[in-house]
Amino acid sequence: AAGVIQSPRHLIKEKRETATLKCYPIPRHDTVYWYQQGPGQDPQFLISFYEKMQSDKGSIPDRFSAQQFSDYHSELNMSSLELGDSALYFCASSLEGLTTPSTDTQYFGPGTRLTVL
Amino acid sequence: GEDVEQSLFLSVREGDSSVINCTYTDSSSTYLYWYKQEPGAGLQLLTYIFSNMDMKQDQRLTVLLNKKDKHLSLRIADTQTGDSAIYFCAERNYGQNFVFGPGTRLSVLP
Repeated sequence: AAGVIQSPRHLIKEKRETATLKCYPIPRHDTVYWYQQGPGQDPQFLISFYEKMQSDKGSIPDRFSAQQFSDYHSELNMSSLELGDSALYFCASSLEGLTTPSTDTQYFGPGTRLTVL
Repeated sequence: GEDVEQSLFLSVREGDSSVINCTYTDSSSTYLYWYKQEPGAGLQLLTYIFSNMDMKQDQRLTVLLNKKDKHLSLRIADTQTGDSAIYFCAERNYGQNFVFGPGTRLSVLP
């Protein structure tokens, strides 16, 4: 089954640079979630979009912004990068109205590992 | 707010059963999940359970849910070295984001 695709898989940036992470949800899924997982930490919710509108906001810094496009893919834009932004960034997708999730369906993408030097 | 708790470490011998426990606070949780994460890798969905179920078995995995105590457990039968990973418990309400526990690092000793 098709899964969530994230690109790039690895990204190295320097402090104060910008980065853009992309997420392509499972086909027909209309909701995208972004999570940040620091080293040795559990994933923390950043932001989500449903039908291209922001649906929920978590611990996302003001330096970050995100959007969901007409084809349902989403981009997380990160500016003025700091060392503490080094983390694994996960995207997950869902279809609102999906009441029987299948164990064959990978809700989460493989993640983008961002390293800020 | 919602909170999910897990013990941080578990060590078992190869061939034994592993039981990873999780407690959560949100009584309206709709779905409860177990994810496996190997070093440097993404989150692999292992299994899930609806809040109206109390048990689910899937090959070597057995999930038990005690909704009254808000306690979830994952039992892995015949644990193998390839099962060594971090196991995250997560809860989610319909249409909302996942709330993860801190993860339990399972070490399987030969």
